[in-house]
Amino acid sequence: DGGITQSPKYLFRKEGQNVTLSCEQNLNHDAMYWYRQDPGQGLRLIYYSQIVNDFQKGDIAEGYSVSREKKESFPLTVTSAQKNPTAFYLCASSAGTAQETQYFGPGTRLLVL
Amino acid sequence: GNSVTQMEGPVTLSEEAFLTINCTYTATGYPSLFWYVQYPGEGLQLLLKATKADDKGSNKGFEATYRKETTSFHLEKGSVQVSDSAVYFCALRAYSGAGSYQLTFGKGTKLSVIP
Repeated sequence: DGGITQSPKYLFRKEGQNVTLSCEQNLNHDAMYWYRQDPGQGLRLIYYSQIVNDFQKGDIAEGYSVSREKKESFPLTVTSAQKNPTAFYLCASSAGTAQETQYFGPGTRLLVL
Repeated sequence: GNSVTQMEGPVTLSEEAFLTINCTYTATGYPSLFWYVQYPGEGLQLLLKATKADDKGSNKGFEATYRKETTSFHLEKGSVQVSDSAVYFCALRAYSGAGSYQLTFGKGTKLSVIP
């Protein structure tokens, strides 16, 4: 079945540590996105990528980094510079940014120890 | 900038009650409008969408009509079920420059349906 997978489901970060969240899709989509969701808030865009080897900052990129070396993969690194990383992180993809529908993965919950 | 405002929750209804979740938006140009649903601990699923004024999106008994004159996209269902308990997000898709389109989300409305 085609879809988006995110791992791990839960991730714990220690003070000063970088952690990487995985996102893989087998939908053959060109565009991929990372969102952050906080309780009682809508989703906020962290980074997006329209094609391989290209990505753009979203509204809240500070403290995060991404790479897009393969079409199917768009990992997100939460760096130690992100002082409030506890949140639910959602990855999404679409056939292209001009395409209407984004499809979402199941999410990763990041907690700080 | 673009923004979406939806009614605050939580909303608690009895089974078979009528549901309305209000959503209004501000956007330049002619955005597409969406409702997404999120079940506990899961990602978002597209519920329905409308791409131009007066379009009606519908799915699983839910409906919403794109009203340009009132900049609204209210979600309705005639008879809710316990399985409809979830968080509902209204969103718009609009051109954000540099050849890209972005989704802007409302804060979500939590619906609880009790038997």
